[in-house]
Amino acid sequence: GEDVEQSLFLSVREGDSSVINCTYTDSSSTYLYWYKQEPGAGLQLLTYIFSNMDMKQDQRLTVLLNKKDKHLSLRIADTQTGDSAIYFCAESFTGGGNKLTFGTGTQLKVEL
Amino acid sequence: GAVVSQHPSRVICKSGTSVKIECRSLDFQATTMFWYRQFPKQSLMLMATSNEGSKATYEQGVEKDKFLINHASLTLSTLTVTSAHPEDSSFYICSAREGINLNQPQHFGDGTRLSIL
Repeated sequence: GEDVEQSLFLSVREGDSSVINCTYTDSSSTYLYWYKQEPGAGLQLLTYIFSNMDMKQDQRLTVLLNKKDKHLSLRIADTQTGDSAIYFCAESFTGGGNKLTFGTGTQLKVEL
Repeated sequence: GAVVSQHPSRVICKSGTSVKIECRSLDFQATTMFWYRQFPKQSLMLMATSNEGSKATYEQGVEKDKFLINHASLTLSTLTVTSAHPEDSSFYICSAREGINLNQPQHFGDGTRLSIL
């Protein structure tokens, strides 16, 4: 079955860049996603990348995909206190009806 | 755009009560909606996939008679937790996928915190 792993915790200073990493095992992934969850809330879609892309940039967010190593990362430039949240990566593949398999989540803490 | 509304946001009720949770796509039509369960400090676990006009598809280990899903229109899916017990207490989150294209991303509601006393 699919397995998506993330480190549990990341702490950065305000203004620095944050890099959140994710590894997955399903090589047939079609899309890979990054979601943000604030306490007591649902998930907010941040960005997603098609599996034949290497990189996608959207304002402060940069997604890098290394398909060979099955490694996905999310870089947040100029991290702000409002970026403190849990970040989930997720993968989907067409053969599975594009259901999402979520990673374990990374808690990002931004300190002043 | 792509707003998903989930109600209620919080429910506290006695053991044995049935609880209905609604998930609405406000500005798009959703052929497919998904129901997830999230335990504290854990990831989301898919419970079932709800397709408009047909029976829901449940994930392994999820009791379909316990968690009734109805997707009667392209903008509304409901999850009913029947005869709820304390072990059903959890955070339930729905999502909706716009249109029929499987490649469209899922948009999530804000979740429902269910507490059974």
